[in-house]
Amino acid sequence: AQTVTQSQPEMSVQEAETVTLSCTYDTSESNYYLFWYKQPPSRQMILVIRQEAYKQQNATENRFSVNFQKAAKSFSLKISDSQLGDTAMYFCAFMKQGFTGTASKLTFGTGTRLQVTL
Amino acid sequence: GAVVSQHPSWVICKSGTSVKIECRSLDFQATTMFWYRQFPKQSLMLMATSNEGSKATYEQGVEKDKFLINHASLTLSTLTVTSAHPEDSSFYICSAGLAGRNQETQYFGPGTRLLVL
Repeated sequence: AQTVTQSQPEMSVQEAETVTLSCTYDTSESNYYLFWYKQPPSRQMILVIRQEAYKQQNATENRFSVNFQKAAKSFSLKISDSQLGDTAMYFCAFMKQGFTGTASKLTFGTGTRLQVTL
Repeated sequence: GAVVSQHPSWVICKSGTSVKIECRSLDFQATTMFWYRQFPKQSLMLMATSNEGSKATYEQGVEKDKFLINHASLTLSTLTVTSAHPEDSSFYICSAGLAGRNQETQYFGPGTRLLVL
C-alpha cells in the first residue's frame, strides 16, 4: 500500500514571496504519478501540477514547480511570486500506473493549509 | 483542462429519503469515475471506484447498499444515498479519470453539500 505524508499542516507566505510545500511518499511501485491539487474555500479540487515518475525533469506550470527526488521519495511544490488567490489547502497525491492506461485511485496526504498575506 | 460537473451543488433532505448526485465528464470520456467524501478540514476519503458498464468497487467500511453507484455511460456516474440519515451529512466529491498511457489523471467535480435533517 502507498502512503503520502505532508508534514506541514499550515504555512504562511507574504504576497510576491516564494514558498515550498513538502511531501514525501512511500511505495514499492516503479511506475506511478504524483500530483498537487489545490482546494480553495470554494472546495473545488483543482489540479495544480502532475509529475510522471519515469521523467527525471521536474514539472513546471507557470509559477508552480516541483522538486521531484525519486530516490528520496520526495515531491515538494514551490510557488513563486505568491498571490492572494493561492490561499488554499494543498494536497499531495499518488497514483500508481495501471496496466491498461486507466486512471487508478489516488492516495492523498493530509494537506497543507497555505495562507498568503499582504 | 478537462471539465467535470456535479449536480446538485447542495441539497437538504429529510431523514429517510434518498438523494441522487450526478457526476458528468463534459469534454472527455471517463471509463473510471471515483466518489469521495470529505469531512471539514480533512482530506478526501475514497468511497468507491465506478467503472463504466460494471459494478462499482467499494472501499472497506463503505456500505454498498446505502451508497448506490451507477456508471451507465462514459460520461455519467451517479451516487444515490439511500434512506439518508443526519450522519450522512457531508461534502461529496466525484472525479473522472482521464485514461491513456502516461496521461492518467483525475479531474474533480465541484462537489455536493448534503445536509440531512
